[in-house]
Amino acid sequence: AQSVTQLDSHVSVSEGTPVLLRCNYSSSYSPSLFWYVQHPNKGLQLLLKYTSAATLVKGINGFEAEFKKSETSFHLTKPSAHMSDAAEYFCVVSDLYNTGKLIFGQGTTLQVKP
Amino acid sequence: KAGVTQTPRYLIKTRGQQVTLSCSPISGHRSVSWYQQTPGQGLQFLFEYFSETQRNKGNFPGRFSGRQFSNSRSEMNVSTLELGDSALYLCASSLDVTGGGGTEAFFGQGTRLTVV
Repeated sequence: AQSVTQLDSHVSVSEGTPVLLRCNYSSSYSPSLFWYVQHPNKGLQLLLKYTSAATLVKGINGFEAEFKKSETSFHLTKPSAHMSDAAEYFCVVSDLYNTGKLIFGQGTTLQVKP
Repeated sequence: KAGVTQTPRYLIKTRGQQVTLSCSPISGHRSVSWYQQTPGQGLQFLFEYFSETQRNKGNFPGRFSGRQFSNSRSEMNVSTLELGDSALYLCASSLDVTGGGGTEAFFGQGTRLTVV
């Protein structure tokens, strides 16, 4: 069965410094992976997706993620954090055995300090 | 292009009552799924509908049910509400042209249900 593990529940960075949010996945096959962001009292917004094309995926707002099969990782990065990036981030895998179902990690809260 | 619309945004209900939540997907999307979000359990899959058929169901009691109409709009119903049902309920729609899943989901803003 597929699963995702977000390695940090909380990450704090200073504005202008790089962001790294870590995610490991478990899957029997090459998975579809996503990163979503949730701002307070808002729904989930898709940041980027990996669907077995290029391993380096670029998303919105300067975020990108690299799919590393050998490490079963899909870490999210951004070169320079902005105050508006403060939110909760979810690493998500599409369930291969239950069509239409997404499996969410527990989430990482990103704090951006001025 | 309009996004996923969920109504109502906020609800307060009493234990034992029932509630119906509504979700209008993005035009053309055939897959609608529902998730429950709580601080303790995170985001949990409730069920998913594709072309009016329930394709998958999560590990929730039978008090949680749903349906999808021919225009792809979906409703979710919770009967005999319990305090633990207090949560943010999120609806998502996917294009899923092939019916094979794996496509990105677009989420609504959710319905905040409080059971007192």
